[in-house]
Amino acid sequence: QSALTQPASVSGSPGQSITISCTGTSSDVGAYNYVSWFQQQPGEAPKLIIYEVTFRPSGVSNRFSGSKSGNTASLTISGLQAEDEADYYCSSYTRSTTWVFGGGTRLTVL
Amino acid sequence: QAQLVQSGVEVKKPGASLKVSCKASGYTFTKYGISWVRQAPGQGLEWMGWISTDNGNTKFAQKFQGRVTMTTDTSTNTAYMEVRTLRSDDTAVYYCATDLWISGAYYYAMDVWGQGTTVTVSS
Repeated sequence: QSALTQPASVSGSPGQSITISCTGTSSDVGAYNYVSWFQQQPGEAPKLIIYEVTFRPSGVSNRFSGSKSGNTASLTISGLQAEDEADYYCSSYTRSTTWVFGGGTRLTVL
Repeated sequence: QAQLVQSGVEVKKPGASLKVSCKASGYTFTKYGISWVRQAPGQGLEWMGWISTDNGNTKFAQKFQGRVTMTTDTSTNTAYMEVRTLRSDDTAVYYCATDLWISGAYYYAMDVWGQGTTVTVSS
């Protein structure tokens, strides 16, 4: 199972919106609406911020939103804040009943 | 509030075995399955496998099949992940994470994560 494809880095200024893409195949991202997104701050464990493509866990800011079209899922962060600077990972459930992660995207807030 | 606490730093020699523990608290242990994920230095997340804390059923990523064992001890609410025949490229932070359940319903995601166990494999 190959890793999902994410851009290595994205950047934006405070207040702007950015979108991170996550491209897979018809065997993972395209197969189900079971894409998650995680935020990882340096030295910390990942934190779930989006599950099943569009849903936010309790306590996660509504500035984070998710979507999917075909084999590509996307995470959008609106009203960018300095605290959003982190690594972001997508993951998808697969037809093989396993999970696969993306390679990760480093978000820099300028 | 659900919490996972993992065992401490490990330093191993190539060819040795590793066993990491993940102790759960704040919820009914047998309700949420547990995934194991690792992260090599400066690299991304890699899903290793999943164990049902209810019946012990497991599922592994193909690359770990046969070299990794996952078990649970329901008497101590602890999950274990063992890796045999360690290699230098097994150097990583190893995480455990629970399934996501909300109001009695299961959702496809990894929710609560342990703090991570740093493992170094070096001669």
